[in-house]
This record gives sequence, C-alpha cells and structure tokens, in this order.
Amino acid sequence: NAGVMQNPRHLVRRRGQEARLRCSPMKGHSHVYWYRQLPEEGLKFMVYLQKENIIDESGMPKERFSAEFPKEGPSILRIQQVVRGDSAAYFCASSPGTGFYEQYFGPGTRLTVT
Amino acid sequence: GENVGLHLPTLSVQEGDNSIINCAYSNSASDYFIWYKQESGKGPQFIIDIRSNMDKRQGQRVTVLLNKTVKHLSLQIAATQPGDSAVYFCAENRVAGTASKLTFGTGTRLQVTL
Repeated sequence: NAGVMQNPRHLVRRRGQEARLRCSPMKGHSHVYWYRQLPEEGLKFMVYLQKENIIDESGMPKERFSAEFPKEGPSILRIQQVVRGDSAAYFCASSPGTGFYEQYFGPGTRLTVT
Repeated sequence: GENVGLHLPTLSVQEGDNSIINCAYSNSASDYFIWYKQESGKGPQFIIDIRSNMDKRQGQRVTVLLNKTVKHLSLQIAATQPGDSAVYFCAENRVAGTASKLTFGTGTRLQVTL
C-alpha cells in the first residue's frame, strides 16, 4: 500500500515564477492537509481539503497561494509569483477521516526560490 | 495565542539509556495528541498518539504520558538506539467540529551518543 506521494521532491524557481506542488493521498484517504516547514522549525498548518472542497484555509496566506483537491487526480498547492520567503519544505498529509485519526505525511517538496 | 511548545531544543542521550522528551501545550480544548519523528530530509513519521481521556499509552519501546492538569505531554523512549536520532515533534488536534488541523511544537532534536 503506497504511502502519501509528493512531487516534485525538489523544486527551484526564480522570483516571480509559479510553483505547483502535487500530493497524492494514501489509497482510501479523502482528507488532505498541507503544511509548511522552515528550517529548524515545526510544521505550520496551511489548508485542509476534502474532494472538491476546501474545509479550512485559515493558515493560507491571503495572496498568491491557492490549493485544490479535484474529484480526480492529486491535490495541488499553487504559489504564484514566488518570493524568496516562500523557500521552505511543503508537506502533505492525508487521513481517512476527521476525528481521532493520525495524519500520514509525504516526503515533502523542498522549494527553493532564487 | 494558543501554542504547543517544547522545553528542550536538543537532548543528548547515551545509547542504551532512556530518553524523555517533554512538551507543554496551552490549548485546553485539545483532545488528541500525536508524537512524530522526523529524520533529516524526510517527512514526519507517526510514533504514537493519545486521546485526552487517557493519561498513558504504551507502544513498542515508547510511552506517552499526558497530564491534563498541567497541560504537559511527554514521550519516553526506552533503551535509546542510534536510529532514534531525529527531531521529535508533539502535535495537538482539536477533534470537535470540522477542524482537524494539527498544531505542531517547535521540536526537540535527540542526539544519541555511543
């Protein structure tokens, strides 16, 4: 049973370009979460999605960031017009439902903005 | 605001000794807690979880203790091994309602010396 998959694992973008990060949840999981981690810090919640719905986006910056989880295909975290401060590791997690369920994390995408 | 924090940023333990990693939380509404292990360049890996109606839970070589009176969580690792070297995060979840995001602490780096 494959775990949470994320791609690309490493992404380099110049300032002003767009970054697209993909996440495929574990089989049977319909809940996806995105977190951001700066070096030597804990993970910070960004957004929680179910299929075709954004449930909680309280951690998303108001501008340039968006997320989706379509009926078919992976969840996408999109960052437009990237700036150097966007450089971080972005982790996706999935769970089979809400409640007392652990979240399983993917290997992350390391975004570097030059 | 509400936060989950750790007392020690780095903990050095000799191989074979027991390790204790502590975590303080301030959100009394949290009812589910998880410990994650994160190795360099990887995503967080689930270790053990505990619900707020419990005060102790044991796994393989690990024990989590929850003291709701003082809002304190600890992870005990028995017979620490070199492979236990990593950063350990506690995370809290408020299960009630639709919110299911994890709030992470800043992490404790465990260094196992030979």
